[in-house]
Amino acid sequence: DAGVTQSPTHLIKTRGQQVTLRCSPKSGHDTVSWYQQALGQGPQFIFQYYEEEERQRGNFPDRFSGHQFPNYSSELNVNALLLGDSALYLCASSQGIEQFFGPGTRLTVL
Amino acid sequence: SQQGEEDPQALSIQEGENATMNCSYKTSINNLQWYRQNSGRGLVHLILIRSNEREKHSGRLRVTLDTSKKSSSLLITASRAADTASYFCAPERYNTDKLIFGTGTRLQVFP
Repeated sequence: DAGVTQSPTHLIKTRGQQVTLRCSPKSGHDTVSWYQQALGQGPQFIFQYYEEEERQRGNFPDRFSGHQFPNYSSELNVNALLLGDSALYLCASSQGIEQFFGPGTRLTVL
Repeated sequence: SQQGEEDPQALSIQEGENATMNCSYKTSINNLQWYRQNSGRGLVHLILIRSNEREKHSGRLRVTLDTSKKSSSLLITASRAADTASYFCAPERYNTDKLIFGTGTRLQVFP
């Protein structure tokens, strides 16, 4: 049973560019949450998707948007990248209470 | 702002010793989950304790929860070098699915 998978593993972009990160949830999970983890910090909640709709959102600007597909996979899009967007982006899936995390995508903005 | 705050920030022990990490939070919660993270990679789910539970065990892990004090502790018994990692508590804010993480405890276990 595959766990949560994310792609790509690493990504390097320049300021002003746009990026799309992808997440496939654990089998049987219908809810996907995205978190941003800056170096030396804990993960910060970005938003959560359920039934293809954004259900909850953290304190992130509109430059951060997402999508969930009918197969429950999800994308995180970030527009107009800033240096401060450099971080590890984590996806978590759940069906119920426990949230299981993927390995993350390391985004570096130059 | 961070809700789950771990204490201590760093902990160094010898193999075989026990490691205790504490967590405090600020709001009402549905449950509290503990995670481990190795070298800045993905988070591994360790254990979940519901708001109406006071103690839970899983292998070498023991978690307590005191909702009146808004605090939790994670005890790792008979630690191993492989337990070296960062540990995060993540209270789930009441009536939401949001996990609120602190900055974690960095545990170093020396062989």
